[in-house]
Amino acid sequence: EAGVTQSPRYAVLQEGQAVSFWCDPISGHDTLYWYQQPRDQGPQLLVYFRDEAVIDNSQLPSDRFSAVRPKGTNSTLKIQSAKQGDTATYLCASSPDNYEQYFGPGTRLTVL
Amino acid sequence: TQTVSQSDAHVTVFEGDSVELRCNYSYGGSIYLSWYIQHHGHGLQFLLKYYSGNPVVQGVNGFEAEFSKSDSSFHLRKASVHWSDSAVYFCAVSAPNTNKVVFGTGTRLQVLP
Repeated sequence: EAGVTQSPRYAVLQEGQAVSFWCDPISGHDTLYWYQQPRDQGPQLLVYFRDEAVIDNSQLPSDRFSAVRPKGTNSTLKIQSAKQGDTATYLCASSPDNYEQYFGPGTRLTVL
Repeated sequence: TQTVSQSDAHVTVFEGDSVELRCNYSYGGSIYLSWYIQHHGHGLQFLLKYYSGNPVVQGVNGFEAEFSKSDSSFHLRKASVHWSDSAVYFCAVSAPNTNKVVFGTGTRLQVLP
């Protein structure tokens, strides 16, 4: 069984640039999560979906961040105008239930 | 709202030692508890979980954790660590009526030869 895949693995931007992250969850997992993990910190939830519906995006900076999962499978997280404070690893995870999440390798973003 | 705290940012032990990584949580009702491991440069990997039943749960690679309602704790243990256990360990909690998971700040375990 293929795991959660993410691309790109690394991204380096200047402030003000846009970037998109892509996630392909494990087939059959209806719940998909995006986390932001600053260096030496735990993952912090940005948004999660059940199928194509957004369940909780309360921690997503809505003025610059957006996330979609149009067919309930793959998902894209986009930052419109990156700031230095966005420097972090962005993790995608999928889950078949409430108890166990399967994580991708993450995208390490550096904003200069 | 559920919260989780991991009081030890760093733990250093020698190979073959036993180790306990501490996790405390706060929540008024039933709760799911789990532990994840993150090796450098990788995503998190699930180790084990607890919701009900036997308070001692077994996970992969010889890890186990014990739930204590009285202490609001879910500490992770291993009897004999290997150098490959060096990683960051995250405790996580979630309420049964939500898919939202809250992670602790992590404990970095360093196993010396």
